[in-house]
Amino acid sequence: SQTIHQWPATLVQPVGSPLSLECTVEGTSNPNLYWYRQAAGRGLQLLFYSVGIGQISSEVPQNLSASRPQDRQFILSSKKLLLSDSGFYLCAWSGDTSAGSNSPLHFGNGTRLTVT
Amino acid sequence: QKEVEQNSGPLSVPEGAIASLNCTYSDRGSQSFFWYRQYSGKSPELIMSIYSNGDKEDGRFTAQLNKASQYVSLLIRDSQPSDSATYLCAVLNTGGFKTIFGAGTRLFVKA
Repeated sequence: SQTIHQWPATLVQPVGSPLSLECTVEGTSNPNLYWYRQAAGRGLQLLFYSVGIGQISSEVPQNLSASRPQDRQFILSSKKLLLSDSGFYLCAWSGDTSAGSNSPLHFGNGTRLTVT
Repeated sequence: QKEVEQNSGPLSVPEGAIASLNCTYSDRGSQSFFWYRQYSGKSPELIMSIYSNGDKEDGRFTAQLNKASQYVSLLIRDSQPSDSATYLCAVLNTGGFKTIFGAGTRLFVKA
């Protein structure tokens, strides 16, 4: 069966510090990978998605970036955090949709980031 | 117009009642629709997928889809206090790569 690991679970970082969140998926190959952010009491905002190694699509201009160095690894980074970067960050995977399948998203446990 | 719209609630129902959650979407070409449940402080978990017009039942849950009206709903029968959570409607866009979420409806089931 497929599993998704996301870490750390919680993180408190000062403004201006760097960020690196990592996500890995097991039990599937060539997944679509996603980073979402959820502000307190709000819906899920799509930040980045990737359909393959090195292929990153950005949805919202901001000081965050994403990378996919391996098929089942997705990394979210920032060089300098802002207060507005606080939130609940969720990594998710879905099956390969290039052939037109309709695979739902499956989420990791999330990282709660507080920028102070 | 938001891409996926839901009433934010809260929706409060007594234990044993039917909870009805509604969602509308703007992308007329969308073919895949999902309902997720999110407990406070936790990540969303998939509870229903629906791809064709009509009803789809899974235990106490029934999803309903009307593509002509661009409307999706979720019925929860025999609601339990453990069903108290935020329910997120999600739509896979026409391109098939992006899933767009509504803001969620908070449901409270009173014992």
